[in-house]
Amino acid sequence: GENVEQHPSTLSVQEGDSAVIKCTYSDSASNYFPWYKQELGKRPQLIIDIRSNVGEKKDQRIAVTLNKTAKHFSLHITETQPEDSAVYFCAASIYSSASKIIFGSGTRLSIRP
Amino acid sequence: DAGVTQSPTHLIKTRGQQVTLRCSPKSGHDTVSWYQQALGQGPQFIFQYYEEEERQRGNFPDRFSGHQFPNYSSELNVNALLLGDSALYLCASLGVGTDINYGYTFGSGTRLTVV
Repeated sequence: GENVEQHPSTLSVQEGDSAVIKCTYSDSASNYFPWYKQELGKRPQLIIDIRSNVGEKKDQRIAVTLNKTAKHFSLHITETQPEDSAVYFCAASIYSSASKIIFGSGTRLSIRP
Repeated sequence: DAGVTQSPTHLIKTRGQQVTLRCSPKSGHDTVSWYQQALGQGPQFIFQYYEEEERQRGNFPDRFSGHQFPNYSSELNVNALLLGDSALYLCASLGVGTDINYGYTFGSGTRLTVV
């Protein structure tokens, strides 16, 4: 069935360094890949997404890359700040009005001061 | 513009009881999905409603049922509650916009504890 695997499950980086989270998906029909940030006790918030017709997308300190052939996609956060500490979820979907989003298991990112 | 609203925010139920959770989608959204998020896990898809019908369903037993009303709001019902049903239940509405933020908008969730 549809599956999204996410690694690592926990990640600790020094403030100012970069953080990378990697995901793989199983459904080759997937064409929409959102990333969500969830702070403790709060709802998941969409931080960036990418569609399959592009290989990379950047928004300030956050970038996502997609390799459709390998069915891999990654989140890159540069110049990390304390407020980046949260749980990050990758997800995959077939973008349409009937889409359901399949989530990875999450990465707990901690930024060390 | 109101986002997705869910009620109640917290709920404690006894094993074997039934529960109803409610969701109002974001203005302009007509599709509602429900997710279960156990502690330390990613959200798991329960089902999706569109035009008052269940359109897709995840791997959840029939104890989980839902409804969508003509105003697009939705309910999630869980019967014969088990301890393992304790989780954060998230509602997400879907809409297609012209800006970068198309895709799901999540509510803050209902924290269900079964004792």
